Amino acid sequence: DIQLTQSPSSLSAYVGDRVTISCRASQSITTYLNWYQHKQGKAPDLLIYAASSLQSGAPSRFSGSGSGTEFTLTISSLQPEDFATYYCQQSDSVPVTFGQGTKLEMK
Amino acid sequence: QVQLQESGPGLLKPSETLSLTCTVSGDSISGYYWTWIRQPPGKGLEWIGNIDFSGTTNYKPSLGSRVSMSVDTSKKQFSLKLTSVTAADTAVYYCARATGTSSPFWYWGQGTLVTVSA
Repeated sequence: DIQLTQSPSSLSAYVGDRVTISCRASQSITTYLNWYQHKQGKAPDLLIYAASSLQSGAPSRFSGSGSGTEFTLTISSLQPEDFATYYCQQSDSVPVTFGQGTKLEMK
Repeated sequence: QVQLQESGPGLLKPSETLSLTCTVSGDSISGYYWTWIRQPPGKGLEWIGNIDFSGTTNYKPSLGSRVSMSVDTSKKQFSLKLTSVTAADTAVYYCARATGTSSPFWYWGQGTLVTVSA
C-alpha cells in the first residue's frame, strides 16, 4: 500500500494567514494526488485534483503543487470558513489511501 | 446535479452483517466507479473499496473476505456488505463517485453513522 504522511497533524493560524500543508507519499505517485476539505458532519469536498488543478467552484486562494512523492496544499489568505480538516488522497493505485489529516484551527 | 444518498441500519450487534445502499440521482450509474469510504470516530478517512458499472470490484486487502459490493443499474443503486462486524467497524460510512481508477472522488454522499454495540 502507498502510505501518505501529512504534516503538520494540526495547525493554529489567524484569519488572513498564509498556510501550507504537506503530504509525502511512500513511493512516486506522479501527480495522482488530490486534496479534500472536511467539516464535521458534512461530506468531504474536493479542492484540488491531479496535484495542482483547482476544482470548479473552489476558491482561488487554494492551490496545490508537487509531483512524485512531495506535495503541498497552500491557502493564500485564510478565511473563517477555511477552518476544517484537510486530507490528501492518492489515486495512483489501489488500495486508495488517504493521509491522516491536518486539522486547521483558528488562533 | 448528481446526488448520492446512503441508507441502512444505524445500529448493529457484534457478528452481524452491515448492509448499506447508496442511491444515485441526477446522472447515470453506468460508466463510473462507485466507492465506499468510512471514518471511525476521531480518526481519518479509510477507503473500503470500489465497484464499477460492470461489477468489477477492488477491496481494501485488510478487510479480506468480509467485504463485498454489488451494483443494481436498474435501481441506480450500489451496495456494501461487511460481515462479522465488531466495534472497530463503527464509523460514518460514505459513498462516493469517481470517473476512473485514477480519478478523485468528485461526488460524495452525506454519510451515515453505523454503530456496532452489544
